[in-house]
Amino acid sequence: LAKTTQPISMDSYEGQEVNITCSHNNIATNDYITWYQQFPSQGPRFIIQGYKTKVTNEVASLFIPADRKSSTLSLPRVSLSDTAVYYCLVGDAALRGSARQLTFGSGTQLTVLP
Amino acid sequence: DVKVTQSSRYLVKRTGEKVFLECVQDMDHENMFWYRQDPGLGLRLIYFSYDVKMKEKGDIPEGYSVSREKKERFSLILESASTNQTSMYLCASSTHGGAENGYTFGSGTRLTVV
Repeated sequence: LAKTTQPISMDSYEGQEVNITCSHNNIATNDYITWYQQFPSQGPRFIIQGYKTKVTNEVASLFIPADRKSSTLSLPRVSLSDTAVYYCLVGDAALRGSARQLTFGSGTQLTVLP
Repeated sequence: DVKVTQSSRYLVKRTGEKVFLECVQDMDHENMFWYRQDPGLGLRLIYFSYDVKMKEKGDIPEGYSVSREKKERFSLILESASTNQTSMYLCASSTHGGAENGYTFGSGTRLTVV
């Protein structure tokens, strides 16, 4: 079971790019890397998922180096509404019965300041 | 556009009561999960199910049971509620396979046991 390590908190200003890095040294061959966003009193929301190199969608980019032992979530030009907790998860989301592998850590509290 | 619906946003129950938390998803997902979220402890997996009538224990199943009689519905049961089960409960669903699949969460049920 790949454990993840993220910073507990980060501050940024509106309009800046924010990069949140997650360490997952014992990631397995079949594991994907997935990031979620959670606002207070809401369930986490899927942001992006990747296996290697770079993935980009309308919300964020995910950078994964060749050794896959870490990943970086990049949020371009953040706004106040991006203030939330961001979770990095590592696990095999493709196999039946694999839910046990998807463990949420404590996440990173991102605070965007005006 | 609601895809995972939890029956109640807030519940207050008395110690010793039997409590049912209901979750319904309309995405035809095979997997369904129950997590609880507590300050400083993140999300912890209670039970999950990867098919109708199938269930597996998560990391903290003690004091809970589940029921999955239909594909779209997954119920969490507190047989005899205790004050240490006061928490935010989150239901999620996912499909079996595919690299782009993540979890879809409900909005959560905040349960207070008095």
